[in-house]
Amino acid sequence: SQTIHQWPATLVQPVGSPLSLECTVEGTSNPNLYWYRQAAGRGLQLLFYSVGIGQISSEVPQNLSASRPQDRQFILSSKKLLLSDSGFYLCAWSVEANYGYTFGSGTRLTVV
Amino acid sequence: SQKIEQNSEALNIQEGKTATLTCNYTNYSPAYLQWYRQDPGRGPVFLLLIRENEKEKRKERLKVTFDTTLKQSLFHITASQPADSATYLCALRMNTGFQKLVFGTGTRLLVSP
Repeated sequence: SQTIHQWPATLVQPVGSPLSLECTVEGTSNPNLYWYRQAAGRGLQLLFYSVGIGQISSEVPQNLSASRPQDRQFILSSKKLLLSDSGFYLCAWSVEANYGYTFGSGTRLTVV
Repeated sequence: SQKIEQNSEALNIQEGKTATLTCNYTNYSPAYLQWYRQDPGRGPVFLLLIRENEKEKRKERLKVTFDTTLKQSLFHITASQPADSATYLCALRMNTGFQKLVFGTGTRLLVSP
């Protein structure tokens, strides 16, 4: 079956520290992968998407970057976190255009 | 500018009633629209998809309508149950460029016993 793993579940990091969030997908090949952020009381904002290994598209200019070193691995990173990077980060995948996205369980990031 | 609007106020209904949630959009030409359920602290879960050429789609107690003239989708839960309490998100998928999903802010539904 198809599953998506996202970790860690919660993270508290000081301002200026680096960040690495990892997402892996099982049971499917060549998925489209996405990173979304959900701020408190706000909708999901698409940060990055990837249609293949090494192919990353950024939606908004920001302090974050993404990489896809393997077909089913998607990593969200930052060299120096800002307070405004706090939020709920969600990884998702899709294969067919006519199907919904499958989301991971999310990472609650608090930058202090 | 492009907007997806969902009622930010929570919808409170009694168990057994039909819940109706609204999603309005402007300046989009979606290929299709999707509805998701999100519980606190969890990722959204896909519920239904309706295409631009479809008027209505049903799945068990769920019904979605899509009016591209009004630029509106309605999401109905019939015979609502307390377990239906959650935030419901609508999302549009464009028919141009990379077909990414754009989400509304969601409406919280509270079903009382």
